Amino acid sequence: GESVGLHLPTLSVQEGDNSIINCAYSNSASDYFIWYKQESGKGPQFIIDIRSNMDKRQGQRVTVLLNKTVKHLSLQIAATQPGDSAVYFCAENRGAGGGNKLTFGTGTQLKVEL
Amino acid sequence: SQTIHQWPATLVQPVGSPLSLECTVEGTSNPNLYWYRQAAGRGLQLLFYSVGIGQISSEVPQNLSASRPQDRQFILSSKKLLLSDSGFYLCAWSVSSGTAYYEQYFGPGTRLTVT
Repeated sequence: GESVGLHLPTLSVQEGDNSIINCAYSNSASDYFIWYKQESGKGPQFIIDIRSNMDKRQGQRVTVLLNKTVKHLSLQIAATQPGDSAVYFCAENRGAGGGNKLTFGTGTQLKVEL
Repeated sequence: SQTIHQWPATLVQPVGSPLSLECTVEGTSNPNLYWYRQAAGRGLQLLFYSVGIGQISSEVPQNLSASRPQDRQFILSSKKLLLSDSGFYLCAWSVSSGTAYYEQYFGPGTRLTVT
């Protein structure tokens, strides 16, 4: 579910370090999980997705891990760069019968320090 | 390649005034179209969902309505705006999918402030 607060969780990392952003989801029937990146004042940008029957998927500098036992999703960013500074959202697709509809988490602010 | 446009980019409207936000998609046919609202510091909330011309599903009861007069045009409207309608409105599209998952791609958004 969504946080009722107005303050996003913030993760601060040094440039060049790896970042790990975490997300908890609630719907066991969700069939896909997706990560989006949103820069200030812009629309979200698709990063990577993972199907519910997988536990790991890698992209360019990013890895998504899925733990269905504890309903946990994480996004790992290797060698974090200043351009990675943004808010990151996880989303879950509602699954069969729910149509192609996403439920978004609250988001995590990633700040990259030089 | 596909592109999605939204306008206006920003809008300041008084309480009780009407609203019309427009979204158009290029480079694809018969897309699924979505309207989301994002309150400050929060995630995105799905408002409306359309699988074809004239086919609109509403996700939450609210002061807004949506229409799809053409295949690649999606409009968000209100007859009388409330202060609580302020937010960042995002349009998104995906491949027409029935109930299957396909990536959703978002437009640049419209920042609406109701005064």
